[in-house]
Order: sequence, then structure tokens, then C-alpha cells
Amino acid sequence: EVQLVESGGGLIQSGRSLRLACAASGFKFDDSGMHWVRQVPGKGLEWVSGISWNSVSMAYANSVKGRFTISRDNAKNSLYLQMNRLRAEDTAFYYCAKESVSGRNSHFDHWGQGTLVTVSS
Amino acid sequence: DIQMTQSPSTLSASVGDRVTVTCRASQSIYSWLAWYQQKPGKAPKVLIYKASNLESGVPSRFSGTGSGTEFTLTINSLQPEDFATYYCQEYYSYSRTFGQGTKVEIK
Repeated sequence: EVQLVESGGGLIQSGRSLRLACAASGFKFDDSGMHWVRQVPGKGLEWVSGISWNSVSMAYANSVKGRFTISRDNAKNSLYLQMNRLRAEDTAFYYCAKESVSGRNSHFDHWGQGTLVTVSS
Repeated sequence: DIQMTQSPSTLSASVGDRVTVTCRASQSIYSWLAWYQQKPGKAPKVLIYKASNLESGVPSRFSGTGSGTEFTLTINSLQPEDFATYYCQEYYSYSRTFGQGTKVEIK
């Protein structure tokens, strides 16, 4: 069974840093592209960042570019999101999501349960 | 960036109704479109991928059509468990933009 479990969320002051983690199991992690998607409570979904299976390709939403860094450790079956210079508007649930097929044209076939990041100003 | 526009934002329907949600892309995304269902407090769950392919385990009352820039999600004979928010997502571009969501409410 595929499982994605996020951790690292919490209450943090504006301007500070936070690192989210996503522990993966039940599939071949090092074959899968992975992503972070966030959702402000009560609002819609926003893609944040993605990384290829081999960490060669990474991409970011304009809203986080230059502040957030995505990474992965295939030996630990883990995905990370380093969030620096946090702003109040970064407050959201953060989900990790797995590509159905590694590569560009693939939807997300599994999601974690999310972790809440609250940035206080 | 590709923009995805869903309509309506909210839809009121009764059990047994047929409902349709529309998603429009700002440029052609061919058939690279997925539909997700999200219930309160839960992660999204994929229903349809590549515009019209039903994800394994998803009831056949869900269907998707379209290509290019216009797409629809249809739920035939709405069931109580289908009251939720539905999102389209393009995956033609790496950034995989979502529509703003359609909340299906009980009439």
C-alpha cells in the first residue's frame, strides 16, 4: 500500500525557516517524481514544487521561487521542502504527492494527509 | 503559465441528479487533464486522468470528456458520498495548474 506521511509543520514566525518532510513507502520511491501542493484552509489547491526521480529537474511556483527548496533522499525514501523567509501568505496545508508515472505528463495518483504550516506575522 | 477556469464555483444538486462541471484551459493541453475529489479534512483523490480515463476503484458514475481546452466531469446519479469539492488539474506543463474548484452541495 502506498503511503505518504508529511511532518514538520507547525506555528512559525514570519521571516523564519521550516523544513517539511514526506516519508514514502509502498512503492519504488526512486522511480517516482514527487511534488508539494499546498492549500490555504478553505481555499483551492496550489502546486508549489516538483522534483524528478533523480533530482536532476526541479521546479517551483513563482510565489515560492527563491525562498523554497525541494530535495529528496532516495536512500531514505524521503522528500523535503525547505521553506525560508516565510510569509503569512505561506500559511497552508502542505501535501506531498506522487506522480503516477515518472515524467512530465503524469497526474498525482497518491497524496499524503498534509501538514499544516501557520506563519504568524 | 496555463490558467485553468472551472465552472460553476458551487453547484447545488440532489441525490440521483446528473451533474456536470466544466474546466477550461487558457491554451491547449491536449488530453493532459485530471479530475480530483476532495472531502473536508482529507487529501484530494484522483477520479479521472488523461481527460477520460477512470482511475482504478472509482465508481463508473464518474466520467470525463474533452480535449484541447474544454473539459467536463459528469457524475451520473449523484450519491450522498459525492458531495465534495472537485478540482481539475492540467499536467501538460510541469507546474500542473489546478482549477479553482467546484463545490457540489446538497440542494
